Amino acid sequence: AQSVAQPEDQVNVAEGNPLTVKCTYSVSGNPYLFWYVQYPNRGLQFLLKYITGDNLVKGSYGFEAEFNKSQTSFHLKKPSALVSDSALYFCAVSSASGGYQKVTFGTGTKLQVIP
Amino acid sequence: DAGVIQSPRHEVTEMGQEVTLRCKPISGHNSLFWYRQTMMRGLELLIYFNNNVPIDDSGMPEDRFSAKMPNASFSTLKIQPSEPRDSAVYFCASSSPSGRAFGELFFGEGSRLTVL
Repeated sequence: AQSVAQPEDQVNVAEGNPLTVKCTYSVSGNPYLFWYVQYPNRGLQFLLKYITGDNLVKGSYGFEAEFNKSQTSFHLKKPSALVSDSALYFCAVSSASGGYQKVTFGTGTKLQVIP
Repeated sequence: DAGVIQSPRHEVTEMGQEVTLRCKPISGHNSLFWYRQTMMRGLELLIYFNNNVPIDDSGMPEDRFSAKMPNASFSTLKIQPSEPRDSAVYFCASSSPSGRAFGELFFGEGSRLTVL
């Protein structure tokens, strides 16, 4: 069975500082990895994905994530946080062997950017 | 494109009543997913369809829940009878089998269900 762990329920960061939201995964075969963001009372929005290729993936709103196969991690990063980045962030995984459409989400990490 | 459209956005009902949630996926997407979000359990996959055919319904909580996709542009999730523990936000999402957006899920705004 595939799974995702987001060890931090909440991350607080000062505006302008770099941010990291952690994610580790477990899956059979090659993983497809995703980050989504959810603003209050809204649906999830896609941020970025790793399917294959370069381990450093760049996505929307200046976010990036690094795929680390040996550590089975896919941490989300941004060099300089904005107050508007405050939201709930979800890491997700699927795999071709599991049927790529079956996406498993983590429990989410609330990001609070402090002005 | 208008994105994934869900209705109703909010539903308040009494225990024992039937609830029907509706979803229109993005045109051209051949996969459709129903998720449920609660504080306690997070985001759970209930069922997903591929080309209108249910592929995996192992996440459906029990027989009170049923989902249909009669055509490529419409799906329903029905709860009968509803119970207070069904209170949650139900999301529909769709995805494309190929192209730049491969593997990405496009979510609707959700249907917030409250069962009294």
